[in-house]
This record gives sequence, C-alpha cells and structure tokens, in this order.
Amino acid sequence: DTEVTQTPKHLVMGMTNKKSLKCEQHMGHRAMYWYKQKAKKPPELMFVYSYEKLSINESVPSRFSPECPNSSLLNLHLHALQPEDSALYLCASSQGGGLAGEGETQYFGPGTRLLVL
Amino acid sequence: AQTVTQSQPEMSVQEAETVTLSCTYDTSESDYYLFWYKQPPSRQMILVIRQEAYKQQNATENRFSVNFQKAAKSFSLKISDSQLGDAAMYFCAYSWISSGSARQLTFGSGTQLTVLP
Repeated sequence: DTEVTQTPKHLVMGMTNKKSLKCEQHMGHRAMYWYKQKAKKPPELMFVYSYEKLSINESVPSRFSPECPNSSLLNLHLHALQPEDSALYLCASSQGGGLAGEGETQYFGPGTRLLVL
Repeated sequence: AQTVTQSQPEMSVQEAETVTLSCTYDTSESDYYLFWYKQPPSRQMILVIRQEAYKQQNATENRFSVNFQKAAKSFSLKISDSQLGDAAMYFCAYSWISSGSARQLTFGSGTQLTVLP
C-alpha cells in the first residue's frame, strides 16, 4: 500500500483565518514532506520531517508552520495567509534514513487545493 | 547546485505511437536517484519510474522505459504504445541528500504531453 491521504481536498479561507491541512500515511515511512505547487509549475519544497527532525526551506514565510505529532501524521498550520498563497499543497512521504532504492522514493498524496480570498 | 532541465514544454503523440521526453541534470554527486512523475488533470502526482545512478541497466515499467546516460547526465523517458490516459504533465526529478537523513527532490519544469486519438 503506497497511500498518502490529505484532508481537506479543497479549502477556501480569508486572510484573517487560521486553518490546518492534514496528511497521513500508514506505510511506516519516517520522512514526510510539504510542497507548494502553482498551476503549470513544478512542486516547491516547503518542509521536511525526517525521523521527527524538521528541515525548513528558509524562503517559506512564517505564516506557514508545520507540525509532526507522530511519524504517521503531518500537519500544516496556516495563519494570516495572502492571496498569492493560493495553490495546491502536496504532502509526500518516503522511508527516509538514506535507504537505498525504494527508500528514496517519495509517494504523494492527492493534495489540498487552497484558495485565499 | 543540482538542476534539472526539461527542454520540451509541450509534446504530442498519436495514440499507439511512441514518444520520448527529454531530461538533463547537473550534479557533482556520484550516487543519486532519478525519477519520472506524471501529473494528470486531477493533479495527483504519480510515480512513473525510478532509476538508481549506480545501476547501468535502464529501468523499465511496462510501457515506460528510460534511457539513462550517466556521463552525459541525461535521463529520457520513452512511452510506448501511447494511450489516452498517458496525457499528463510529466516531471523529471533528481533526488539528493539535504540536511539530516532525508533526501529532497529537485524537479524539472515539466513537459505537457497530449495524446491524440
């Protein structure tokens, strides 16, 4: 099973709202990722959690904050977003730990389409 | 810095024909991984094929195969017997180790493939 689930599928929020995106995997993977993707562009990495250790893309604004409650769950908390933050947010997971071959493969969830008004 | 280049923004192929998508990359590493992902209109990112750089044999997955030329840093994807369901944006991706033990993906800009009936 290579399933990564994301909720919600769609989200519309105002610039003053606080919301959270959720991602879950049950493959025993130890690395999880958040990406932002604009239309017709490649995904851009925002955050990586590997063995519960966070790595941040330093260009990501502080209005995005990740949380990893356990090795199966990854949340992305949103606060005071801007209209330019409207995008598809993709979660992915991999075995992590620098394992060779299959361990390097990232599996993606279906994404959350976010619209900021 | 690792870069991935896809020089064909758009490609089209007749149903049942063969098409090749190009990808080149730049790296100083000797051990790495390369991937092709497809993203249909649903925007689900789907793994197509993986190639380990230490393997000389080109990877194949059913109708999909790669031509991996390590010295030339080239990684093209061949789709045989094209089907309507192959229509999608195709991203070439390079996997590299960032801080910690998690690998990160650098994506090319994508090739939009149209399959003509």
